[in-house]
Amino acid sequence: QKEVEQNSGPLSVPEGAIASLNCTYSDRGSQSFFWYRQYSGKSPELIMSIYSNGDKEDGRFTAQLNKASQYVSLLIRDSQPSDSATYLCAVKRQGAQKLVFGQGTRLTINP
Amino acid sequence: ETGVTQSPTHLIKTRGQQVTLRCSSQSGHNTVSWYQQALGQGPQFIFQYYREEENGRGNFPPRFSGLQFPNYSSELNVNALELDDSALYLCASSSPTEGGAPEQFFGPGTRLTVL
Repeated sequence: QKEVEQNSGPLSVPEGAIASLNCTYSDRGSQSFFWYRQYSGKSPELIMSIYSNGDKEDGRFTAQLNKASQYVSLLIRDSQPSDSATYLCAVKRQGAQKLVFGQGTRLTINP
Repeated sequence: ETGVTQSPTHLIKTRGQQVTLRCSSQSGHNTVSWYQQALGQGPQFIFQYYREEENGRGNFPPRFSGLQFPNYSSELNVNALELDDSALYLCASSSPTEGGAPEQFFGPGTRLTVL
């Protein structure tokens, strides 16, 4: 079992709809959770971090965390073609140095 | 823009050669982490440097080594290059924060091709 699992996609969503990206993790010691966006040929860009159970909203983005179910998700409202990218989920244990990444979900927003 | 810079942007080497990649951290950040990202995969942690010392290492062989300098910039050295070392090498800078996990901000990366 991979430490962090994401559906590789591609996930295709019409413009203006809600895109829902999911991530599960196996290490119950994970305390910090991050979503990165990576455009083709570019490096990952941090878009959200979440540390507590529940929802965290930032503009059109909402991160959701459920530690009991070992599940973290990212919702993108009013999806735009510029949101088309690969979204990487990353988790981190308390006190650990490394981020553990999933393989990413490729998201395509169709005009 | 994160303020993290890396050089060179692209590099082509042949098998068996050695390579040095460089990273300058974001202003105020004293910790540098290196990751390797193969095509279609998520980044894999190589190691982290804090206060010029290695502060954690992933599952990479000893031919991957690094340095951190007093100004917090860092180098990644790879000896005896293998074809599988072809990847995007990412540097991330961070700074310890009280009560929370330091977020890591990535530089633009160095694309290494080993022929």
